[in-house]
Amino acid sequence: DVKVTQSSRYLVKRTGEKVFLECVQDMDHENMFWYRQDPGLGLRLIYFSYDVKMKEKGDIPEGYSVSREKKERFSLILESASTNQTSMYLCASSYEPNREEAFFGQGTRLTVV
Amino acid sequence: QKEVEQDPGPLSVPEGAIVSLNCTYSNSAFQYFMWYRQYSRKGPELLMYTYSSGNKEDGRFTAQVDKSSKYISLFIRDSQPSDSATYLCAMSAGNTPLVFGKGTRLSVIA
Repeated sequence: DVKVTQSSRYLVKRTGEKVFLECVQDMDHENMFWYRQDPGLGLRLIYFSYDVKMKEKGDIPEGYSVSREKKERFSLILESASTNQTSMYLCASSYEPNREEAFFGQGTRLTVV
Repeated sequence: QKEVEQDPGPLSVPEGAIVSLNCTYSNSAFQYFMWYRQYSRKGPELLMYTYSSGNKEDGRFTAQVDKSSKYISLFIRDSQPSDSATYLCAMSAGNTPLVFGKGTRLSVIA
């Protein structure tokens, strides 16, 4: 079974803090993705990566950055957390050539106060 | 017009009913069509995966794609309370990340 593991299920951070969300997959997948999910807005793509040290902006990259130093790990960074970044964050991975067949982690519920 | 439209529901049906969930889309380049199921406070899990037009069946679940109408459907036969979840459609042109619908919340009442 594919396993995509997000480091925390629940996080509470203060406004202005730098926040790291970690995601690890154990199936040697080339592709990794970060989404956020909000009521009424669905899943929105923040960043994605098709290879180590490679990153591409998704639909809503503002206020976020990512790091992919190793194939199995994809980190999402909130440079200075704000209350409008309170959300459910979902990491996903997929393999080539079936890059559209994405497997998701359990999600991190982040609250910024 | 958004790329993928999905009625958010909620949809409530009695146990044993046939459920029909639908999405429409505008991008004719989409070739890969997925349905994900998401239980409360969990990540989405892939339920059905279809390439191009046609039907695909897996147990009580049937996915249909009509590319001429830009319309996809998921049918659940003999629905069970354990099917209560949010169902997300997703699609891709094959060289781009998935685009998701907003999800339909389904409740199956025993």
